[in-house]
Amino acid sequence: DAGITQSPRHKVTETGTPVTLRCHQTENHRYMYWYRQDPGHGLRLIHYSYGVKDTDKGEVSDGYSVSRSKTEDFLLTLESATSSQTSVYFCAIRDRPNTEAFFGQGTRLTVV
Amino acid sequence: ILNVEQSPQSLHVQEGDSTNFTCSFPSSNFYALHWYRWETAKSPEALFVMTLNGDEKKKGRISATLNTKEGYSYLYIKGSQPEDSATYLCARNTGNQFYFGTGTSLTVIP
Repeated sequence: DAGITQSPRHKVTETGTPVTLRCHQTENHRYMYWYRQDPGHGLRLIHYSYGVKDTDKGEVSDGYSVSRSKTEDFLLTLESATSSQTSVYFCAIRDRPNTEAFFGQGTRLTVV
Repeated sequence: ILNVEQSPQSLHVQEGDSTNFTCSFPSSNFYALHWYRWETAKSPEALFVMTLNGDEKKKGRISATLNTKEGYSYLYIKGSQPEDSATYLCARNTGNQFYFGTGTSLTVIP
């Protein structure tokens, strides 16, 4: 299995609170991605990174920010969580643009 | 740039039947097309990465074809088994970005 770990695995938080999810990899892969999974929508890209301090927005980036200060960690922050951000979040890593992606185990976030 | 569409949305087949799904995508700015298998309560796992028009790839009873000019890919499963039950995702790779379709949910009935 690819060395990719998401933390926490489960979190319940209140509306309006900040939340940070962590994706940690030991593969030294260049590309890292955050997706959210919702019924009827599949996996939707939130943000991605193509190198240390190089990040860009995906299709559903509103309300989310990311940071990548070192190769192995990609952080996803919800500055002020809303109920619409209740979802399962997946991190993925990839070595080169035309190679397969490896996924973390997912983080189930519930905003109440 | 998104518009990765998969059909059908869900499918039920009998054990032993062969089946196929479709992934359609914009043919412009094509870099690669990926197929993933996603079992319930697990993470998606890669099946194929396809880059060239006319590509055909095979892994056991599962195979895939790619037509980049018309923007579609087919995934075939020969002699479906209950363990093939999963959601099959395709993803369009436009270089750095990586966008998924909503998947085809396959249930193989013993």
